[in-house]
Amino acid sequence: TQLLEQSPQFLSIQEGENLTVYCNSSSVFSSLQWYRQEPGEGPVLLVTVVTGGEVKKLKRLTFQFGDARKDSSLHITAAQPGDTGLYLCAGNDYKLSFGAGTTVTVRA
Amino acid sequence: GAVVSQHPSRVICKSGTSVKIECRSLDFQATTMFWYRQFPKKSLMLMATSNEGSKATYEQGVEKDKFLINHASLTLSTLTVTSAHPEDSSFYICSATARGGARTDTQYFGPGTRLTVL
Repeated sequence: TQLLEQSPQFLSIQEGENLTVYCNSSSVFSSLQWYRQEPGEGPVLLVTVVTGGEVKKLKRLTFQFGDARKDSSLHITAAQPGDTGLYLCAGNDYKLSFGAGTTVTVRA
Repeated sequence: GAVVSQHPSRVICKSGTSVKIECRSLDFQATTMFWYRQFPKKSLMLMATSNEGSKATYEQGVEKDKFLINHASLTLSTLTVTSAHPEDSSFYICSATARGGARTDTQYFGPGTRLTVL
């Protein structure tokens, strides 16, 4: 059972544009994490959000955790080709429950 | 810090043979390790959770006799795919937590192992 829903599933944009990926759940998690994965490699942790309403920034990436700790979003400003990859959200409650992922392609 | 390695990175085997995949925490003691499976363009599906020195806990639908997990030390867990068949071909990824696997502990992921069964 997929507890986390990500949208959109695919996203293709031009370099310099902005994008937002959404992660929604019917469950409350102790924390939520965002990962980026490149083909043939393991996922790399980008951020962990714990507090409802929390906003974290990582250079051009902005992560928000909903007040009810059920949903989150990832916003990338001025996307670059190096941002291309599979973005995964995961709810952490001892075990990680992953969303289906969003494949982001940034065209030069 | 918190580096996890996997070996081998790729393996090709004949149907009916067994394959062992190693997962090592290089610079920390991993009391809990997790094994995931990922199909092309799909998300990670948790297969099992293993704590050092005890039997692994398998997720629903995962055959424990087919996917043998051994977590014999604080730095090594192994996944053995027994009598592998083409449908077992997949990307297998392990992760490890540095403490007792508390609810908010960060999992550090290995680079994955691509298994192809002919």
